[in-house]
Amino acid sequence: DAGITQSPRHKVTETGTPVTLRCHQTENHRYMYWYRQDPGHGLRLIHYSYGVKDTDKGEVSDGYSVSRSKTEDFLLTLESATSSQTSVYFCAIRETGGSYNEQFFGPGTRLTVL
Amino acid sequence: AQTVTQSQPEMSVQEAETVTLSCTYDTSESDYYLFWYKQPPSRQMILVIRQEAYKQQNATENRFSVNFQKAAKSFSLKISDSQLGDAAMYFCAFFGNEKLTFGTGTRLTIIP
Repeated sequence: DAGITQSPRHKVTETGTPVTLRCHQTENHRYMYWYRQDPGHGLRLIHYSYGVKDTDKGEVSDGYSVSRSKTEDFLLTLESATSSQTSVYFCAIRETGGSYNEQFFGPGTRLTVL
Repeated sequence: AQTVTQSQPEMSVQEAETVTLSCTYDTSESDYYLFWYKQPPSRQMILVIRQEAYKQQNATENRFSVNFQKAAKSFSLKISDSQLGDAAMYFCAFFGNEKLTFGTGTRLTIIP
């Protein structure tokens, strides 16, 4: 257990509303990631962070923004949710420093945009 | 950009038998890591096994082992003595350039 929690775990919202998902870690890892999972696509990287206030885009970043003001929290924001953003969202941390660079995942958030 | 291909959307195996899940990848990098993750119905992503590209020896974790063929860019997962609890989606993943790229997954069914 890498001490990763996500909130909320489930959310239903309407098109056009803003949504923020939170990822919280307890072990001070530098790298944090947001992925989305859709049928037929596996997991795809949205954004990642390599330190406080340091973020970069992944392959499916359009329509999403992120922020990291503290080491332990990585926020994913949908400024104006669309039905195409209905998905399961996973947060992950990456262990570094002599390891295999494994990523460990949170439990996921199921987001439905109506 | 890296790509990961899992050509078997679904596989099934008899309980106690052995099954092999296929994975190929494409990259121009020489230093990278490969992983297999398991996702049961609970949705939790669970790391099964990992391999460093510069290690020729195939990784093994209990009943799980890999066949890593670097020149062929192949990274298959063998599950021995299959158990009912092995039923899940299995994802192959490539780590390079700070990013993890996943295949589309293989759904494994265990037949009692």
